Amino acid sequence: KNQVEQSPQSLIILEGKNCTLQCNYTVSPFSNLRWYKQDTGRGPVSLTIMTFSENTKSNGRYTATLDADTKQSSLHITASQLSDSASYICVVSPASSASKIIFGSGTRLSIRP
Amino acid sequence: NAGVTQTPKFRVLKTGQSMTLLCAQDMNHEYMYWYRQDPGMGLRLIHYSVGEGTTAKGEVPDGYNVSRLKKQNFLLGLESAAPSQTSVYFCASSAGIPEAFFGQGTRLTVV
Repeated sequence: KNQVEQSPQSLIILEGKNCTLQCNYTVSPFSNLRWYKQDTGRGPVSLTIMTFSENTKSNGRYTATLDADTKQSSLHITASQLSDSASYICVVSPASSASKIIFGSGTRLSIRP
Repeated sequence: NAGVTQTPKFRVLKTGQSMTLLCAQDMNHEYMYWYRQDPGMGLRLIHYSVGEGTTAKGEVPDGYNVSRLKKQNFLLGLESAAPSQTSVYFCASSAGIPEAFFGQGTRLTVV
């Protein structure tokens, strides 16, 4: 069964610190892997999109990496800000179907001043 | 830029009641989706549409129906609400993989 597992489930860090969120997936082959940010009470918003052939993609202080061999992706947040407090969701799209995208359950990140 | 708009934002239903959630997008996207989000779980696809007049079942379609009579609108119906349908519902639209845009969500409580 195709799965997307994220770790940790929750994380608390101090403002200004860096952090890395992990995503392990079993979806194969896949078309693309996305990271979304979801603020409390809001819909997910796309941060990065990587195809299976890409290794890294940046969006400001957010950098996503992808290792297709180990089926792992990470999202690195640099110099965290209070506004980074949110859930971060890893999403994988199987190559076989555009509709059957698989969402991870997310990592809840809290930034403390 | 409205993007994807969901109505209503909140709703409380009694068991057995029916309701319709409306999703509207102004980006001329072909693909539209309905998801539900429950604590500790990833978003799960209920139904989706690949174009006006088409609908298809997703991962958890039981108890829901959908219609896509107009390209910009995607309706999600609950014919007889059950407490297990208490959830946050998200609509999304896409011009095709990989980008998808989500609405703000509808928080539904069935008592």
